[in-house]
Amino acid sequence: DVKVTQSSRYLVKRTGEKVFLECVQDMDHENMFWYRQDPGLGLRLIYFSYDVKMKEKGDIPEGYSVSREKKERFSLILESASTNQTSMYLCASTWGQGWNEQFFGPGTRLTVL
Amino acid sequence: QKEVEQDPGPLSVPEGAIVSLNCTYSNSAFQYFMWYRQYSRKGPELLMYTYSSGNKEDGRFTAQVDKSSKYISLFIRDSQPSDSATYLCAMSALGETSGSRLTFGEGTQLTVNP
Repeated sequence: DVKVTQSSRYLVKRTGEKVFLECVQDMDHENMFWYRQDPGLGLRLIYFSYDVKMKEKGDIPEGYSVSREKKERFSLILESASTNQTSMYLCASTWGQGWNEQFFGPGTRLTVL
Repeated sequence: QKEVEQDPGPLSVPEGAIVSLNCTYSNSAFQYFMWYRQYSRKGPELLMYTYSSGNKEDGRFTAQVDKSSKYISLFIRDSQPSDSATYLCAMSALGETSGSRLTFGEGTQLTVNP
């Protein structure tokens, strides 16, 4: 079974803190994605990576950065957390180019106070 | 205007009802069309996918794509309480070198009452 794990299910941080969200997949997938999910807005793509040390901006990259030092791990970084970054964060992975099924982690519910 | 529009619901139906979930889109480049199901406190899981126009059936589920109208549907027959979840449509355009970039609808929350 493909497994995508995320470091925390729930996280509470203060405004201005630096926040790291970690995602690990065990299926040797080339592509990894970070989304945020908000009511009425659905899933929106923040960043994605199609290879180690490669990254591309998604639709809403402002206020976020990412790191992919190893194939299995993709980190999302909030340099200075703000209240409007309170959201559910979902990581996903898939293989190859073109369309293939994306496998999602369970999500991290981040609250910024 | 959003590229993909989906009625967010919520939708509440009795057990055994036929459910119709719908999405419209504006990007003519979309060629792969997916439905993901997301249970509460879980990540989305792929339910069905179709390529280009037409119908695809899998048990009680039927996915329908009409590219001329830019409209996709998911039908659930004989709905069960276990079908209660949020259903997300998603779409992908070919030619992306980075692979598999998806655009999602807002999701429709469905409750099937026993």
